[in-house]
Amino acid sequence: NAGVMQNPRHLVRRRGQEARLRCSPMKGHSHVYWYRQLPEEGLKFMVYLQKENIIDESGMPKERFSAEFPKEGPSILRIQQVVRGDSAAYFCASSLGTSGRNTDTQYFGPGTRLTVL
Amino acid sequence: KNEVEQSPQNLTAQEGEFITINCSYSVGISALHWLQQHPGGGIVSLFMLSSGKKKHGRLIATINIQEKHSSLHITASHPRDSAVYICAVSGFGNEKLTFGTGTRLTIIP
Repeated sequence: NAGVMQNPRHLVRRRGQEARLRCSPMKGHSHVYWYRQLPEEGLKFMVYLQKENIIDESGMPKERFSAEFPKEGPSILRIQQVVRGDSAAYFCASSLGTSGRNTDTQYFGPGTRLTVL
Repeated sequence: KNEVEQSPQNLTAQEGEFITINCSYSVGISALHWLQQHPGGGIVSLFMLSSGKKKHGRLIATINIQEKHSSLHITASHPRDSAVYICAVSGFGNEKLTFGTGTRLTIIP
């Protein structure tokens, strides 16, 4: 049973380009979370998705950032027109989303390290 | 004031010592999570607890809901325990995690 997979592991972009980060949750998991870790800072929540639905995007910047979790395929975090301040490690986590339970263990992917030149 | 506070920020100890890392939170929670971030950056979930105490190997996590406080203990510490330990909480009706700033633990042989 493979864990949470993220790709690419490292991504280098020039200012103004687009970055696409992919996350494949663990098998059977229907909840996906994206978190960002800026250099020398703690982890911050960005967005919480279930299949085809954004549940909470309160941590995601209103401009240039978007996320999706389609019915088929991985979850995608998209950053348009990247700036140097977007350089960070982006972690995806998934959970089972057991019906009736308020919370489940989240399993983290290895992260994508984005560097904006 | 952050919703989740950890102490200490940095901790250096000799191999074999008993380690305690503390976490206090200021909001109502459905669960508290302890995570380990390795030097290479990967994150592993160690515990999720909403009451009492959990033990896994040399690791013990406790939580006091009334005092809004949790501790992570490591017995017989080993250099391979060197990592950043992160406390996080999840609220009611929303599973997103709010994180503490982490405790950097270094165990010296």
